[in-house]
Amino acid sequence: QKEVEQNSGPLSVPEGAIASLNCTYSDRVSQSFFWYRQYSGKSPELIMSIYSNGDKEDGRFTAQLNKASQYVSLLIRDSQPSDSATYLCASRGSSASKIIFGSGTRLSIRP
Amino acid sequence: EAQVTQNPRYLITVTGKKLTVTCSQNMNHEYMSWYRQDPGLGLRQIYYSMNVEVTDKGDVPEGYKVSRKEKRNFPLILESPSPNQTSLYFCASSFLLQKSTDTQYFGPGTRLTVL
Repeated sequence: QKEVEQNSGPLSVPEGAIASLNCTYSDRVSQSFFWYRQYSGKSPELIMSIYSNGDKEDGRFTAQLNKASQYVSLLIRDSQPSDSATYLCASRGSSASKIIFGSGTRLSIRP
Repeated sequence: EAQVTQNPRYLITVTGKKLTVTCSQNMNHEYMSWYRQDPGLGLRQIYYSMNVEVTDKGDVPEGYKVSRKEKRNFPLILESPSPNQTSLYFCASSFLLQKSTDTQYFGPGTRLTVL
């Protein structure tokens, strides 16, 4: 079992709708969770981080964390074509020395 | 400007020819790491370093070497590259991952092809 799992997609969402990206993790002692956006051939860019149960909002992005269910999600409101990218979920686990990445979900926003 | 730089950005080489990919950061980060990214496999950690002269293996270290003689630099060395090391490589750095807010910042990537 992968430590951080994501549906690879592609997830296709119409422009202006809400895109919902999901991630599960296996290490119960994971403390911090991150969402990175990666355009094709480019480096990952941090867009959200979350450490406590509940929701965290930043502009059009909302990260949700449920530690009991070991589940993290990212909602993108008013989706734009520029949001089309691969979204990587990552967790900082029991070892402080590494961040573990999921394999990413490819999101496509159709005009 | 705070950044992580990598060189070269693109490299085509042949099997067995030693190569080095450089990584440098200007943020005084203690922690540096190398990843490779392959389709469907996500980012896999090769090696990491928590400070000068302190390095350790990640998930896929075979065929790679690193060194950390200075805080800002963390080169990746392929002594005898093979075609299965064809990949997109990223260097990343951060402060030590001790605070919940610590995360990694990535370099622009090096696309390596081994023929």
